[in-house]
Amino acid sequence: RKEVEQDPGPFNVPEGATVAFNCTYSNSASQSFFWYRQDCRKEPKLLMSVYSSGNEDGRFTAQLNRASQYISLLIRDSKLSDSATYLCVVTTSGTYKYIFGTGTRLKVLA
Amino acid sequence: NAGVTQTPKFQVLKTGQSMTLQCAQDMNHNSMYWYRQDPGMGLRLIYYSASEGTTDKGEVPNGYNVSRLNKREFSLRLESAAPSQTSVYFCASSDNLVGLAGVLEQYFGPGTRLTVT
Repeated sequence: RKEVEQDPGPFNVPEGATVAFNCTYSNSASQSFFWYRQDCRKEPKLLMSVYSSGNEDGRFTAQLNRASQYISLLIRDSKLSDSATYLCVVTTSGTYKYIFGTGTRLKVLA
Repeated sequence: NAGVTQTPKFQVLKTGQSMTLQCAQDMNHNSMYWYRQDPGMGLRLIYYSASEGTTDKGEVPNGYNVSRLNKREFSLRLESAAPSQTSVYFCASSDNLVGLAGVLEQYFGPGTRLTVT
């Protein structure tokens, strides 16, 4: 089993739709969690960190469920510019390693 | 602030040739990383350096060597390139507050697209 798993998609949604992605992790000692965005042929860029209490940044909401070992990303009012691959990233206590999921591809359609 | 810079952006090598990928960061980060990204495989860690003077193997270290030249610079060397090393290589850096808030986010360079023929 992979340490971090994501549905590869693609998720094809119309503009204005709400879309949610989940990411599961296998190590219960995982400590920090992030969502990154990666555009085609570009470097990953931090979208948001995921805090235990959940957090929101504009149209984006991230949640952490430690009991079920998953994090989620909700995007409201999708824009064409949201089309990208979203990477889930997990770190484990006591290490400096970041474990990346393979990404979920989102296409927002006009 | 340039963030994380990588050179070169593109490179074509013949099998057996060697080359060094350069990475530098100007954010005074302690940790630096080298990843490769292949279609359908996601980002895989090659080597990392948790602090100046230390390096450790990641998930796919075979065929690579690294040097943490100083706090700013972390280079990746391919001694004898193979077609299986055709990939996009990303360097990243981060600062760490382990024990308090966990590790902080990573910042990535723009990548080096390497083709080995």
